[in-house]
Amino acid sequence: GNSVTQMEGPVTLSEEAFLTINCTYTATGYPSLFWYVQYPGEGLQLLLKATKADDKGSNKGFEATYRKETTSFHLEKGSVQVSDSAVYFCALSTVGGGGFKTIFGAGTRLFVKA
Amino acid sequence: GAVVSQHPSWVICKSGTSVKIECRSLDFQATTMFWYRQFPKQSLMLMATSNEGSKATYEQGVEKDKFLINHASLTLSTLTVTSAHPEDSSFYICSAIQDDYEQYFGPGTRLTVT
Repeated sequence: GNSVTQMEGPVTLSEEAFLTINCTYTATGYPSLFWYVQYPGEGLQLLLKATKADDKGSNKGFEATYRKETTSFHLEKGSVQVSDSAVYFCALSTVGGGGFKTIFGAGTRLFVKA
Repeated sequence: GAVVSQHPSWVICKSGTSVKIECRSLDFQATTMFWYRQFPKQSLMLMATSNEGSKATYEQGVEKDKFLINHASLTLSTLTVTSAHPEDSSFYICSAIQDDYEQYFGPGTRLTVT
């Protein structure tokens, strides 16, 4: 079945450091790929997405490229801020005979120190 | 952008009672709504998929008689936790999709059963 694997956290960085959170997936067909962010006590917010191979999603300085050859969708940001501290979820969505389905990775908690 | 609300945002109930959680799409009609459960520091687990006017489709291992889902209109789905027990304490998140399969998440409802 489909699955998403992302790097375990927590990840602790100093402000202005470079961020990479790795995400790889297993899927049949052509899934759409997403990064969601969750702040404490809140629901999920869509951070960025990519719907086909080689697409790059970007938002708020974050970016990720849909790499079909390596089945990856790594999240990067050049300079993190304290306000980026949150949990980040990689996810894939498919539409098929079973309808629309989303599978989430385990989440990676990011702490950014001032 | 599209907004999904949940009510209540948090609830405390006594063991053995039932609790209803509402999920509303505020500015769009949702073809499908989803209910997820999230334990502390864990990922989201899909509980059920809800289509307006039809019975919900539950994921394996989710008790349909315990977690009653009613999708009465294109903008409202409800999750009722019947005869709640402390192990049902969790963060419940709903999401809704439009025809373009863009998924929007509610802010979540924290349920504590004492």
